[in-house]
Amino acid sequence: GQQVMQIPQYQHVQEGEDFTTYCNSSTTLSNIQWYKQRPGGHPVFLIQLVKSGEVKKQKRLTFQFGEAKKNSSLHITATQTTDVGTYFCAGRWYKLSFGAGTTVTVRA
Amino acid sequence: NAGVTQTPKFQVLKTGQSMTLQCAQDMNHNSMYWYRQDPGMGLRLIYYSASEGTTDKGEVPNGYNVSRLNKREFSLRLESAAPSQTSVYFCASSERASSYEQYFGPGTRLTVT
Repeated sequence: GQQVMQIPQYQHVQEGEDFTTYCNSSTTLSNIQWYKQRPGGHPVFLIQLVKSGEVKKQKRLTFQFGEAKKNSSLHITATQTTDVGTYFCAGRWYKLSFGAGTTVTVRA
Repeated sequence: NAGVTQTPKFQVLKTGQSMTLQCAQDMNHNSMYWYRQDPGMGLRLIYYSASEGTTDKGEVPNGYNVSRLNKREFSLRLESAAPSQTSVYFCASSERASSYEQYFGPGTRLTVT
């Protein structure tokens, strides 16, 4: 079964609001990746985190890797309609395992 | 560069029929993967090929076979399709098997009736 759990499964956001999606593993990870899949599209790589406590930013997206390297989060500020889609985390220990994803919808 | 290409885009099969999904990449990547995506299940790895000439089972290999034809091409075969194999199939590639981002193809939507 899946080793990487993502919450929430769905996130309905008012345009302009912030939200966070979380990724948790029962196993210490060597690294974690985040992907975005637009409706009807394919997953596209966003970022990879490797170091304990690492924080990386891409414009309005902030990615964080936990100190114990067992969890990660993606925070989006000032949500826009272009943020619609499903965000997947993928944690690696000896293999890469994808979470079930957080599907984001935006109310204009 | 086309990146990762997959054929066909859509396919409908009857139970028991066989078919092969084709995947090719033009990025000179060593590693290639086949995933299936089902609602609420994320992406589950079926098979992967860490390098040309090698293939290994992933999380859900039953009912599938793969061939790494050469460095560019990695095909997935369903010998006797079952309704449980109705899914969207994605092929992906990466420079190497560990610690590298994966590039995904556009997917094949397969329905088995």
